[in-house]
Order: sequence, then structure tokens, then C-alpha cells
Amino acid sequence: GQQVMQIPQYQHVQEGEDFTTYCNSSTTLSNIQWYKQRPGGHPVFLIQLVKSGEVKKQKRLTFQFGEAKKNSSLHITATQTTDVGTYFCAGITGGFKTIFGAGTRLFVKA
Amino acid sequence: EPEVTQTPSHQVTQMGQEVILRCVPISNHLYFYWYRQILGQKVEFLVSFYNNEISEKSEIFDDQFSVERPDGSNFTLKIRSTKLEDSAMYFCASSGGDRNQPQHFGDGTRLSIL
Repeated sequence: GQQVMQIPQYQHVQEGEDFTTYCNSSTTLSNIQWYKQRPGGHPVFLIQLVKSGEVKKQKRLTFQFGEAKKNSSLHITATQTTDVGTYFCAGITGGFKTIFGAGTRLFVKA
Repeated sequence: EPEVTQTPSHQVTQMGQEVILRCVPISNHLYFYWYRQILGQKVEFLVSFYNNEISEKSEIFDDQFSVERPDGSNFTLKIRSTKLEDSAMYFCASSGGDRNQPQHFGDGTRLSIL
């Protein structure tokens, strides 16, 4: 079945360092969404990418969607302690199913 | 800001019993979803619901599971004959008039099967 792989599983950074998480789908996606989940919380929508090669920015966060619409990345510049949590990509095909990646848990040391 | 609300926040049930998890989606949303997250693991899609019927379901969503929208506001997930491995956090989500709209998640119900 369709899979969305996400790496790394964990990332420890010093505050101020950059962070990147990568997603790769086994099939072409119609769009991809990114969510953040704080410990003990629920996933919170960050952004959606739809177009091939699309790049979107939200302050220190940069999101990219690959040309083939099979991979995506989230890059955080100069991490802060408030960035702590698990970042999930979620791939959507032409149907109603959303396939989440395994998530990357970000730890930020002050 | 409108929220998806889920009840109860925590449900403890004996193995073999039936449970009903309840969700009130955002009022003008049309697409509804249930997800499961086993502790420390990823969010797993269970089912999507649109226009009063299941639009898609995963391999996890077998005959043990059912969903219902009994009235204009509630969206329920029923799990029959619960098993130990059903212990997880169950999230309800809803999205607006387009299935590609962002999904808004509730706080979840933690289901513990004893």
C-alpha cells in the first residue's frame, strides 16, 4: 500500500541551530500537508503544498514540495525552544485518505 | 476560533466491551476523519466520511469498527469487542468544503483497554 517515509526519527539540536526533516512518498501525491504535535497534544496544521516544486515560508520555517510531487521537506532556521515537538508530513492522493509519515521528534537544548 | 471537540478525554474499558467515541466537528465542515495514534507512534488514518457515508477506510478499519453521524453535529466511532491492541489515542478531525482543506484535530480520546 501507499507509504510515506519520514526521516530522521529524532533530532537533537542546540538552540539556534537549523533543523530539517524529509518526507518521501511511494506514490505521487496530489498535495502534502505538514502538522506539528506538541507532547501530549494533537496535530496542528502548519501548511499545505500543492504545486510541483512549490516553496512556502512561514517566518523561520521553509517548506518544499519536490518536482515529482513525491517528496517534501521542512527546514527550520535558528531553532528556538518553542519549536520542540513532533513534525509530521501527511500525503494526500486523489482520494480521501491522508497518510501520515512517522514524524520527526525535535528536541531543542537551550 | 471554532474547535473540534471530543468526548470523553479518557475511556477505560474491559477487553471485549464496546466503546463509542464521540466527536463534534466544526459546524460548517463537510469532511470528517478518525485517526489512531498508539503511544509514541505515528498518526494512522482509519476512515474518512463525507455526505453521510464512508468515503475511504484503511486496512485497520475492519468489521470491528463503525462510524455514524447520528444527527447534524455529532460524529461517532464505535469499536466492538475491544482488544488490548486497540489501546491508543483516537483523534477526530474535520475539514471544510474541499477535501484538500487543512484538517482540524480534536484533543483526542485516550482509550485504555484492560
